[in-house]
Amino acid sequence: DIQMTQSPSSLSASVGDRVTITCRASQGISSWLAWYQQKPEKAPKSLIYAASNLQSGVPSRFSGSGSGTDFTLTISSLQPEDIATYYCQQYDSFPLTFGGGTRVEIK
Amino acid sequence: EVRLVESGGGLVQPGGCLRLSCAASGFTFSDHYIDWVRQAPGKGLEWVARSRDKRNGYSTEYAASVKGRFTISRDESKDSVYLQMNSLKTEDTAVYYCARRSSGSGSYYPFDYWGQGTLVTVSS
Repeated sequence: DIQMTQSPSSLSASVGDRVTITCRASQGISSWLAWYQQKPEKAPKSLIYAASNLQSGVPSRFSGSGSGTDFTLTISSLQPEDIATYYCQQYDSFPLTFGGGTRVEIK
Repeated sequence: EVRLVESGGGLVQPGGCLRLSCAASGFTFSDHYIDWVRQAPGKGLEWVARSRDKRNGYSTEYAASVKGRFTISRDESKDSVYLQMNSLKTEDTAVYYCARRSSGSGSYYPFDYWGQGTLVTVSS
């Protein structure tokens, strides 16, 4: 199975800060990586697919990069509504696997 | 508007069974893969099962942790996907989400829409 490791597990930042979350795959997954946002008590929401493509309607302050084993989700200017847990997921091979999540809080 | 609505969760004793439903609307049901993903209380996301599209014969995949106990199926007439869960264990306690895989001419696609989830509690 492909293990997905996210870091940090949590972070606290101020409104307007640039926030970066990393995700590392235990083996190469090309660009078959997605990012999801989950607000408290809500279902996950799709943010980014194929490592760097924004889903329709996602604000442009979100961006993704990477390929192979190392990936990054960046929020260019953190907003109060971005408070959530973010998960990466590989869809290169079965079983589909998710990272452990990164909880983002406002300082 | 794409909608996925889960139902069927509840409290069940260890060793018991439960059937979850996921009712789909707003898209051509037979053209999309539908998966189940679960989230134990306070934990991360875990993929559970997949039902491929009609073109792929609605073939299925399962996580090792549920293989042989859970069965995913579809009813085209109701645009619904089901998860039959047998021999339930306490570690199956989770919110169960159904999720639609986006589609196209390629081979690799992520989830694009998720339902709101249904809670399954396995406890004596």
